[in-house]
Amino acid sequence: NAGVTQTPKFQVLKTGQSMTLQCAQDMNHNSMYWYRQDPGMGLRLIYYSASEGTTDKGEVPNGYNVSRLNKREFSLRLESAAPSQTSVYFCASISAIEQYFGPGTRLTVT
Amino acid sequence: GENVEQHPSTLSVQEGDSAVIKCTYSDSASNYFPWYKQELGKGPQLIIDIRSNVGEKKDQRIAVTLNKTAKHFSLHITETQPEDSAVYFCAAGSTNDYKLSFGAGTTVTVRA
Repeated sequence: NAGVTQTPKFQVLKTGQSMTLQCAQDMNHNSMYWYRQDPGMGLRLIYYSASEGTTDKGEVPNGYNVSRLNKREFSLRLESAAPSQTSVYFCASISAIEQYFGPGTRLTVT
Repeated sequence: GENVEQHPSTLSVQEGDSAVIKCTYSDSASNYFPWYKQELGKGPQLIIDIRSNVGEKKDQRIAVTLNKTAKHFSLHITETQPEDSAVYFCAAGSTNDYKLSFGAGTTVTVRA
């Protein structure tokens, strides 16, 4: 997972609480992505950012917001967590010649 | 949107044998087909990818084939080793934005 860092690694929230998942890359890529991984379903795209200041919805954006404040960082925010958002969240940084996924954040909402 | 189906969901092979995983996709506009290996507790790692202007690509013991007409692509691992045991994912997307749709994954176990 070289080049992409995610914090925190683990988090437990109560229903209705909010939190921000942080992601940073040091490869100077324009494009960054947030995916969630649930058992037996592969990864699903939540949000995507083609460049600093731009974001676009993916397949499952409901309940999430994102922010691309600069080229390096792309954060994912849960405003009011729900048990259905219990999942493992991966950030990815992709260019035409290389790509890396972060180590993931395991989130449990009770 | 794109729909990617992956088979089988589990695969057990004897060390030294070959492993084959197959995927189909639905969107004819997709032109980028990567494969990932995911080990327990880690993020997916790209192992090989293929673009739609080629039909086959090989990297040591790993090869990927693509049939655009039939909308399917396959991963072939030869001479399997215990360290090949992991979950493998296929994905499909476009080189315009690299927004990927993933298959559900194949758990590969290599028996020593």
